[in-house]
Amino acid sequence: DTEVTQTPKHLVMGMTNKKSLKCEQHMGHRAMYWYKQKAKKPPELMFVYSYEKLSINESVPSRFSPECPNSSLLNLHLHALQPEDSALYLCASSQLTRTYEQYFGPGTRLTVT
Amino acid sequence: GENVEQHPSTLSVQEGDSAVIKCTYSDSASNYFPWYKQELGKRPQLIIDIRSNVGEKKDQRIAVTLNKTAKHFSLHITETQPEDSAVYFCAASHTWGRGSTLGRLYFGRGTQLTVWP
Repeated sequence: DTEVTQTPKHLVMGMTNKKSLKCEQHMGHRAMYWYKQKAKKPPELMFVYSYEKLSINESVPSRFSPECPNSSLLNLHLHALQPEDSALYLCASSQLTRTYEQYFGPGTRLTVT
Repeated sequence: GENVEQHPSTLSVQEGDSAVIKCTYSDSASNYFPWYKQELGKRPQLIIDIRSNVGEKKDQRIAVTLNKTAKHFSLHITETQPEDSAVYFCAASHTWGRGSTLGRLYFGRGTQLTVWP
């Protein structure tokens, strides 16, 4: 099973709302990632969790807050977003030993109004 | 940090022809090179990868070659079909040692491949 799941598939939120994106994998991967992707651009790394600890924060604004409750789950909490934050948010996971294939979830299409 | 360049940005071919996408990387420590295919509205899908101890890898109609000395790698698709139409991303990573960048992917800017029937 190489599946990463994400919910919701679509999300529309106002600039004053608080919402959360969820990601889950059951492949035993110990690294999980959040990416932001604009149309026809490569995924842009936001955060990396390695062994449930935040290892990379790519200077992401504090209105994005990641959380890794356990090795299978990854959340991204959103608050006071801006219209320019509208994008496809992708979660991914990978092993950190032997094989490093990174698998992506289907993404959440976020629209900020 | 690593810098990955990808060319061309767009590629149009006739069905049945071959397509080649090329990438270069800057960090000699990179040793893992995956390729992703992303269809419109879908997730990036890992289609093939190569490690630095291998010069070429094939999987049916797709193949990847790696030249470590020149720091470039290429994706080759033979007998292209309309369903190969997508954006293709190359990436580079290093999978040895420690540090926060272990396993991190550095992406090229992508190639929009269109296969005309």
